[in-house]
Amino acid sequence: EIVLTQSPGTLSLSPGERATLSCRASQSVSSSFLAWYQQKPGQAPRLLIYGASNRATGIPDRFGGSGSGTDFTLTISRLEPEDFAVYYCQQYGGSPPITFGQGTRLEIK
Amino acid sequence: QVQLQESGPGLVKPSGTLSLTCTVSGGSISSSSWWGWIRQPPGKGLEWIGYIYYSGSTNYNPSLKSRLTMSVDTSKNQFSLKLSSVTALDTAVYYCARKIAAAGEFDYWGQGTLVTVSS
Repeated sequence: EIVLTQSPGTLSLSPGERATLSCRASQSVSSSFLAWYQQKPGQAPRLLIYGASNRATGIPDRFGGSGSGTDFTLTISRLEPEDFAVYYCQQYGGSPPITFGQGTRLEIK
Repeated sequence: QVQLQESGPGLVKPSGTLSLTCTVSGGSISSSSWWGWIRQPPGKGLEWIGYIYYSGSTNYNPSLKSRLTMSVDTSKNQFSLKLSSVTALDTAVYYCARKIAAAGEFDYWGQGTLVTVSS
């Protein structure tokens, strides 16, 4: 099983600041199959990034993804109030084919 | 715009069977997509349960495989989940979601439904 470890567990920042979230895989993941989701309380996860660096439809360009192999990063260039949420990475291709990271909580400082 | 909606009992007794259905609208379940289930225990992270293709092919999480059955009804544009021998550990919000066959991500999600296992 490919284990995804996200860090930090909680990130405390202020609106306008830059956020950098990490996702590290226990084995190499194809860049084509690394995604990021945003989840707000009481809502379903929303796809932000697919293929490690491609923004999903309607996602603002302040969200960016990068990385390859075992190290991936989600960057939010300038935090807006609505960006404070929990973020999950997800990989496809191992066995089991789908695993999620444990999540990073982005909270207002 | 594809939409998914989960339905089913919100309370299941221990040792019973959890049954949920996901209705797809705005698109055909017979498209080149896998239709999946993901769950989230209260206050915890996401766990992939499994997914099914419109042809009936399935891929299950090995940790749940022995208790899991998925099915698809193309005439109703629905797919379903049955999880047997449930315990309190199966209490979670259950989401249905779509994964395009050639892709790795889930692009459309249902709103989720809370299923509680309790006597």
